[in-house]
Amino acid sequence: DPKIIQKPKYLVAVTGSEKILICEQYLGHNAMYWYRQSAKKPLEFMFSYSYQKLMDNQTASSRFQPQSSKKNHLDLQITALKPDDSATYFCASSQDRHSDYTFGSGTRLLVI
Amino acid sequence: QQKVQQSPESLTVSEGAMASLNCTFSDRSSDNFRWYRQHSGKGLEVLVSIFSDGEKEEGSFTAHLNRASLHVFLHIREPQPSDSALYLCAVSIQGGRALIFGTGTTVSVSP
Repeated sequence: DPKIIQKPKYLVAVTGSEKILICEQYLGHNAMYWYRQSAKKPLEFMFSYSYQKLMDNQTASSRFQPQSSKKNHLDLQITALKPDDSATYFCASSQDRHSDYTFGSGTRLLVI
Repeated sequence: QQKVQQSPESLTVSEGAMASLNCTFSDRSSDNFRWYRQHSGKGLEVLVSIFSDGEKEEGSFTAHLNRASLHVFLHIREPQPSDSALYLCAVSIQGGRALIFGTGTTVSVSP
């Protein structure tokens, strides 16, 4: 059974629209993260949350907003979508910074 | 700002031969080093995490950390064709939560 569920697996969006990427973890971890993997670029850290509080934000654009309604949820809202936002977005979780980070299988977003 | 670089960019090895991957980092306060594997179109699978100088073995994977030289290596013992994948090095600095990833090494294992 997948321990981190990301939905949807694939997403096609029109430029200028808004989408929400869903992430739920069933590992009992206190920290959750979002990463982005674009073509030809390294996996890029976006956000970290601990106990539902934003701890780190490396995303320059305010169009990306994480939302944590429950301890084991960390959704990612993206507004005013651009073609450059096309990427695979990975959610991850960990108990703390020295324990294993478990990654979800990703949401592949294509903006046309 | 932390920079993480991996070499080689791609590597072809024969089944059963040792594969060695290199990762260099720039921030001397780094204290958290991980190797991941990503099969095409899939998520990340953790292979080995290492937090102090020396070696750590997990199955057929051995990480070797030398912080003085800013290197962390991954050795794959007796690789199989199923080990063909993108191998990613990730580093975080002391007290940091963000993992900074390298661009990866694509490993192909030929039968």
